[in-house]
Amino acid sequence: GAGVSQSPSNKVTEKGKDVELRCDPISGHTALYWYRQSLGQGLEFLIYFQGNSAPDKSGLPSDRFSAERTGGSVSTLTIQRTQQEDSAVYLCASSLSRQGEKLFFGSGTQLSVL
Amino acid sequence: SQQGEEDPQALSIQEGENATMNCSYKTSINNLQWYRQNSGRGLVHLILIRSNEREKHSGRLRVTLDTSKKSSSLLITASRAADTASYFCATAYSTGGFKTIFGAGTRLFVKA
Repeated sequence: GAGVSQSPSNKVTEKGKDVELRCDPISGHTALYWYRQSLGQGLEFLIYFQGNSAPDKSGLPSDRFSAERTGGSVSTLTIQRTQQEDSAVYLCASSLSRQGEKLFFGSGTQLSVL
Repeated sequence: SQQGEEDPQALSIQEGENATMNCSYKTSINNLQWYRQNSGRGLVHLILIRSNEREKHSGRLRVTLDTSKKSSSLLITASRAADTASYFCATAYSTGGFKTIFGAGTRLFVKA
């Protein structure tokens, strides 16, 4: 596809369940970011992948959150034992740039934890 | 933690007026960018200014950067109802690699 693709677009889960969110970046983009956005708020940085370098995980809020990027392309964000405060829109972005320039965003996954 | 903070948080203007949004940040940066988010989810990149630049223009957009004050402003001239959206500044800074961090955003409402 031409843009960043995220799936599912909406996810409703019960407290305590695990969820996996998927991001398919633009082909050839070496940088991939995950952000979280609560209603009416800004974007909270979660994790950043750049090529084959070790990811920057400094934004992950707890050890229940993890992410991987396989083959330098598709990324999966996993949230274990979901809590109600995890409810938010999870946004993925990719970029050609090694200097944090011009991110292309997907449409996000709306996660609702009941 | 957030790197940038925008003000105002919300701005309401009439069509045809100019809109100015400000962004302040904390650490030395490689570049600063402005993004737009319509109601819905995806953000769209508008304009980028590098740390060694002071002003950039793109159509009706004008961005300034003052690295001594760690601040930037986005000016939208001759606003239109279609400019109604949230606007975010984002700063890219080195932490080994480069990480892009967003502020809390300014919600702009342009009345027709």
